Parts: sequence; structure tokens; C-alpha cells
Amino acid sequence: GNSVTQMEGPVTLSEEAFLTINCTYTATGYPSLFWYVQYPGEGLQLLLKATKADDKGSNKGFEATYRKETTSFHLEKGSVQVSDSAVYFCALEDGGATNKLIFGTGTLLAVQP
Amino acid sequence: EAGVVQSPRYKIIEKKQPVAFWCNPISGHNTLYWYRQNLGQGPELLIRYENEEAVDDSQLPKDRFSAERLKGVDSTLKIQPAELGDSAVYLCASSFRTSQSRSYNEQFFGPGTRLTVL
Repeated sequence: GNSVTQMEGPVTLSEEAFLTINCTYTATGYPSLFWYVQYPGEGLQLLLKATKADDKGSNKGFEATYRKETTSFHLEKGSVQVSDSAVYFCALEDGGATNKLIFGTGTLLAVQP
Repeated sequence: EAGVVQSPRYKIIEKKQPVAFWCNPISGHNTLYWYRQNLGQGPELLIRYENEEAVDDSQLPKDRFSAERLKGVDSTLKIQPAELGDSAVYLCASSFRTSQSRSYNEQFFGPGTRLTVL
């Protein structure tokens, strides 16, 4: 079945450092891909999405590009802030237009001042 | 606008006891989801409702778990009896989706209920 594999955490960075969190997927067809973020004590929030190959999703300085050839959707940010500290989940939509999400295990990001 | 509301936020019970979780989705959202998130894992879908109908409950352990969504609004997820392995965070999410939808309809998540079974 479809699945998502995420880079294990925690990832600890200093403020203004460059961030990459790796995500690869296994799927039949070309599912939509997502990054969700979970801040402490809050529910998951959609951070960005891409619905087809070569699409780039972006939001709040974060970017991820849908790479069909490498089945990847890596999350990047050029300069992280302390407020970016959270758990980041990569996900795909299972089965096409079903709205069913399959999540990775999550990556904890800790940004130090 | 209020987000998805869940209660309680925390629950501690002894094994073999029953427990129930409640979810109030965002007003106007017709689709409701229950997920379970084990420690260090991503959420896994348990059941999805479209209005009052459970359209995907393939991952719900039906021997001990049950859910209902009366009137297509609030929903309750129940476990009876609870087992040690049920300790997890139970997440509720909602979205607005039509039968003609061919694109992803964003799911909005509540803060979850953290269940500890002793």
C-alpha cells in the first residue's frame, strides 16, 4: 500500500540556519502531497501542499517541491526562527480524491536562539 | 470562527473501563474524521463520516471501538473495554467536501484527546 517515510528527528538548529526535512513516498499513481505542522498543545495545521509533479508548495517561508522522479517532497526553509519549533508531518492523499491522508512518523524540529 | 473542539483533553482510565471522546467540527463541515496517533507516530485514520454516514471505517477495531455522528454534526468515539495498547492521542478533524470533489479538501484538526490506560 501507499506509505510515507520521513527523516527521523529530532532536528536541532540555531536560529537563521537552513532547514531540510526529508520525505519520500511510495504510491501508485500521483497522489497529492502535504506538509502538516503541529505546534505544542495545538492540532495539526496544513502548512503547504502540491497536487502534481513539479509543483512547488510554499507558505510562511517553507517550500517543498513534488519530485516524481525521486518520489520525494522535502521540506526546506532558508532561515528558521525559534517560533518554527514544532513537529512536521509529511502526508499523501491515498487513493486519489478520497481525502484520506497517510502520514509519516513526524519530525521534531527544535530551534535554539 | 471556532476550530474543531474536542473533549476531554486528557483522560486516564484503568484497563477494561469504558471511555468516550467527543468532537464538535467546524460549523458547516460535512465530513468528520477520527484519527489515532500513537507515541512517535503519525495519525492513522480510524473512521470517516460524510454527514451521518460512516463511509470508511475499515481501520476501526470494531470489537471494542464504536463511533456515531448523530444529525451529522457532533461525533462520539467510544472504546469498551479499553486495553493498555489503546493509550494514544485521538484526533478529530473536519472538512467540507461534496460528492463531486476531485481535489483535496483541507482537513482541520482539533487538539486531540490524550488517553492513558493503566
